[in-house]
Amino acid sequence: SAVISQKPSRDICQRGTSLTIQCQVDSQVTMMFWYRQQPGQSLTLIATANQGSEATYESGFVIDKFPISRPNLTFSTLTVSNMSPEDSSIYLCSVEDQSFAGVEETQYFGPGTRLLVL
Amino acid sequence: AQSVTQPDIHITVSEGASLELRCNYSYGATPYLFWYVQSPGQGLQLLLKYFSGDTLVQGIKGFEAEFKRSQSSFNLRKPSVHWSDAAEYFCAVGRVRSGGYQKVTFGTGTKLQVIP
Repeated sequence: SAVISQKPSRDICQRGTSLTIQCQVDSQVTMMFWYRQQPGQSLTLIATANQGSEATYESGFVIDKFPISRPNLTFSTLTVSNMSPEDSSIYLCSVEDQSFAGVEETQYFGPGTRLLVL
Repeated sequence: AQSVTQPDIHITVSEGASLELRCNYSYGATPYLFWYVQSPGQGLQLLLKYFSGDTLVQGIKGFEAEFKRSQSSFNLRKPSVHWSDAAEYFCAVGRVRSGGYQKVTFGTGTKLQVIP
């Protein structure tokens, strides 16, 4: 399976500021995903990032708040803009391992970025 | 739309005892099913997955899960729990979207506490 790293691993930010989270994969992948895990909650998909095209956002998430870049097949960034305390969450990057030639795709996750907004 | 229910928010078991974590899903077709584990301060690690075939699936760390279509369930089991198994466990269901990738929906998780 792919090895995924995220930077930063954690951060404390002031409200109104923005934070960019980086996700790096050790192999080329087509699809990358960004999830949010609010305190005590399950994972919620924010958006799907396909290299060379605009990210696709889930209901309730907008590009102005969570702009995503996907410049190549091994890297993506998620920015959390104009932060408020409600943005305090773990943000996780995942990739879909398509080593089985398009079937049995499985998502693997990075270690997450723990964000606290004051 | 698919959904996943994990009815147990928190479970406590004694070390060495058996474990079963419940998961029920709702999905119109044959689902792709997953169990992930999240240790404190860590990301998610895949324990096992079911796509088709044998309904009893073996995973890492001695875990197994059984797919029961008639009950829409995919319960996770381990015959003898170790203290290091204390973590949060997430069941998930996936479906392939028109773009060819999966939309994975996660349950709310079950926190496992292991006591000596």
